[in-house]
Amino acid sequence: EIVLTQSPGTLSLSPGERATLSCRASQSVSSNYLAWYQQKPGQAPRLLIYGSSSRATGIPDRFSGSGSGTDFTLTISRLEPEDFAVFYCQQYDSSPVTFGGGTNVEIK
Amino acid sequence: QVQLVQSGAEVKKPGASVKVSCKASGYTFNNSVMHWVRQAPGQRLEWMGWISAGYGNTKNSQKFQGRVTITRDTSANTAYMELSSLTSEDTAVYYCARDRMGATLGLFDYWGQGTQVTVSS
Repeated sequence: EIVLTQSPGTLSLSPGERATLSCRASQSVSSNYLAWYQQKPGQAPRLLIYGSSSRATGIPDRFSGSGSGTDFTLTISRLEPEDFAVFYCQQYDSSPVTFGGGTNVEIK
Repeated sequence: QVQLVQSGAEVKKPGASVKVSCKASGYTFNNSVMHWVRQAPGQRLEWMGWISAGYGNTKNSQKFQGRVTITRDTSANTAYMELSSLTSEDTAVYYCARDRMGATLGLFDYWGQGTQVTVSS
């Protein structure tokens, strides 16, 4: 199965700053079948990005995804107070679908 | 609007089984594929399996082969996940999640609120 490694584990930033999150796959994710989810405490994950760079319905344009092959990035251009959460990458290229270990974006 | 509403928290003893339900509304249930994903404390999200609501065919993760049964009741727009032979390692929040493409791709656009399952003697 494809193993996804996210870095950093924790990112301490202030509102208004730029966040850059990384996701590396153990083998190539073809068709860029890579998604990003946001999860706040006590809530289910929310789909942000799919197909490596397409925003899901209702997701603000400050969220953007990029990358291909084995290296992918989620960028939040200017952090809003409601953006602080844990972010997970997920590949849906091959079965079983797998998730990364998460990056916790916390308020500095 | 699309909603997935899951059944309430469960406490089970080791060796028992648990069955979690997921009631869908706001879209055509029979045209969808429903997945089950769990999140154990300190662990990453883990895919368990899916069911095609219209056809009833299923696929489970190898890790849970023989222990997980996913079913659906189309008259009730509800999917079910039953996990047997529970151990403490099955303590987790269990989510149902709809496949965005109406297929078995494994891209999840709507999630249930989660069901806490605790296994304890």
